[in-house]
Amino acid sequence: GENVEQHPSTLSVQEGDSAVIKCTYSDSASNYFPWYKQELGKRPQLIIDIRSNVGEKKDQRIAVTLNKTAKHFSLHITETQPEDSAVYFCAASFNTDKLIFGTGTRLQVFP
Amino acid sequence: SQTIHQWPATLVQPVGSPLSLECTVEGTSNPNLYWYRQAAGRGLQLLFYSVGIGQISSEVPQNLSASRPQDRQFILSSKKLLLSDSGFYLCAWSVQSETEAFFGQGTRLTVV
Repeated sequence: GENVEQHPSTLSVQEGDSAVIKCTYSDSASNYFPWYKQELGKRPQLIIDIRSNVGEKKDQRIAVTLNKTAKHFSLHITETQPEDSAVYFCAASFNTDKLIFGTGTRLQVFP
Repeated sequence: SQTIHQWPATLVQPVGSPLSLECTVEGTSNPNLYWYRQAAGRGLQLLFYSVGIGQISSEVPQNLSASRPQDRQFILSSKKLLLSDSGFYLCAWSVQSETEAFFGQGTRLTVV
């Protein structure tokens, strides 16, 4: 079925360290892979996305990599800061119109 | 600019009562519309999505239903709420498929 698995569910890092969150998806036809950040009590907001014709995309301290053969993609945050603490969700498009989310990763950055 | 309105922000309803959550989008036309539910400590579960007026796709066969009576209006309903319906309901829209989805502020529903 249509599924997105996300690991780990929680992640604690020291300020300045890197954080990596990994996701796998079930449909090889998926073409769109966004990442969302949800701060406590707020709505999810897009932080970066990648399409199937690209292997890697960077935006300052965050980057996303995509391996279409293995059907997995990852979020990399470098030089983490306390304000990076939030829940991060990966997602993948299915049948073009559906956007299915992973179960989320709670990232805590300790000063 | 485009905005999304979702209301109410919080709702406490007794078991067996009906439900109606409304979502409207301004500043765009023919958006894709989505309803998600976020249970405590869990991910975003897709409930319904719509690519046009009267076109509703259901992902979770439950006692919930959705309707799109107007181009930029998306309504989530239930005839009889269950305790398990409690959660944080989020409406979202996108310009077209496979583009950024913008979320509303959400409705925290508690069924008692």
